Amino acid sequence: DAKTTQPPSMDCAEGRAANLPCNHSTISGNEYVYWYRQIHSQGPQYIIHGLKNNETNEMASLIITEDRKSSTLILPHATLRDTAVYYCIVRVAGNTNAGKSTFGDGTTLTVKP
Amino acid sequence: GAVVSQHPSWVICKSGTSVKIECRSLDFQATTMFWYRQFPKQSLMLMATSNEGSKATYEQGVEKDKFLINHASLTLSTLTVTSAHPEDSSFYICSARVAGGFSRTVYNEQFFGPGTRLTVL
Repeated sequence: DAKTTQPPSMDCAEGRAANLPCNHSTISGNEYVYWYRQIHSQGPQYIIHGLKNNETNEMASLIITEDRKSSTLILPHATLRDTAVYYCIVRVAGNTNAGKSTFGDGTTLTVKP
Repeated sequence: GAVVSQHPSWVICKSGTSVKIECRSLDFQATTMFWYRQFPKQSLMLMATSNEGSKATYEQGVEKDKFLINHASLTLSTLTVTSAHPEDSSFYICSARVAGGFSRTVYNEQFFGPGTRLTVL
């Protein structure tokens, strides 16, 4: 699985958009970009994933650059409950090794009132 | 849907004893489950991949005789920490991969349990 690079920490004001970047310059053509978050002392929670097109769901938006070497997770209106460690992972989907995620250090997002 | 549970949620044991942690997929079948370990202020580290009906595959540096994994059914995998010592104290997290199907909705595939906090005295 490709290695990812994320800033160690970010702050965001409550109600504002949080934009979390991720670099994955060695991503392969068949690797998806996944985002998870982990609130303190809980298991990781799936947020969103994508291959090459931008994606949006009820939690967030995912913007993937055209060359797929980086992406940005956008939380449109951050709340205090969004304070967590956010992990960007790239991995293959749909084969026997799918689901084996390698976690980096992630970004600790702190939403402030 | 796609709920994964772990039991117990926390456990405290004496050094030298063995502890069993269960990971269950509640509303789907999982041919593959993954076990992670997370030390304080660190990221998740994959320990092993558990496949239903076969031997687990351990990551480099993880002692297979110390961390026994059994995946006897499509909804249950267990991790047994044998002869636990204080350095084994950690947050153990499992995840489950949906069995079959490659539609877009299951490409997330990996669903995590809530974790088990192990403290060895």
